[in-house]
Amino acid sequence: GQNIDQPTEMTATEGAIVQINCTYQTSGFNGLFWYQQHAGEAPTFLSYNVLDGLEEKGRFSSFLSRSKGYSYLLLKELQMKDSASYLCAVTDSNYQLIWGAGTKLIIKP
Amino acid sequence: GAVVSQHPSRVICKSGTSVKIECRSLDFQATTMFWYRQFPKKSLMLMATSNEGSKATYEQGVEKDKFLINHASLTLSTLTVTSAHPEDSSFYICSASFAAGTSGMDTQYFGPGTRLTVL
Repeated sequence: GQNIDQPTEMTATEGAIVQINCTYQTSGFNGLFWYQQHAGEAPTFLSYNVLDGLEEKGRFSSFLSRSKGYSYLLLKELQMKDSASYLCAVTDSNYQLIWGAGTKLIIKP
Repeated sequence: GAVVSQHPSRVICKSGTSVKIECRSLDFQATTMFWYRQFPKKSLMLMATSNEGSKATYEQGVEKDKFLINHASLTLSTLTVTSAHPEDSSFYICSASFAAGTSGMDTQYFGPGTRLTVL
């Protein structure tokens, strides 16, 4: 079966760094997305990885290791507004997007 | 760029009535649009994928006759929940992508969602 695992919830302190992990077992791989979703709102696109390595975009970075079926989203200089759910999603060999359940990130002052 | 709108943002209706939700791509032509529903504290559940000018592809377990999808143009898709019941109450979200869904690089851009409450 297809499976994406993320921690259910994480807590971090304002100004700190947090890493949200995502592991996947899918039938094939054609890319991995990270989305941010604030409570009661629709998801917004954060990043896309298809090759191994680190993609940096401001305070957010995303890493991919295809051989390990692993990705992480790194958030630096955390702000209160970063409190949200972070969804990992993988495109499989049929170009179907498989969604993780999301990680709820709680930022404390 | 890549703005997707949804209307209405919130709707309350009586059981047995039908509700239409519109999804529009405002600044790009969306060859493919997706409809999701999301229950509280749960992840997105894909309901159907629609390509402009063709019939929607529904996910297993989603009733085609209950959730009618029309994708008449490259900028508009509609979802009609027919004979709505309380168990249909949910957050319905559409997304749109530039291409035909055949590339793993197709980023989906989401509308703001529609919260449906059926009394």
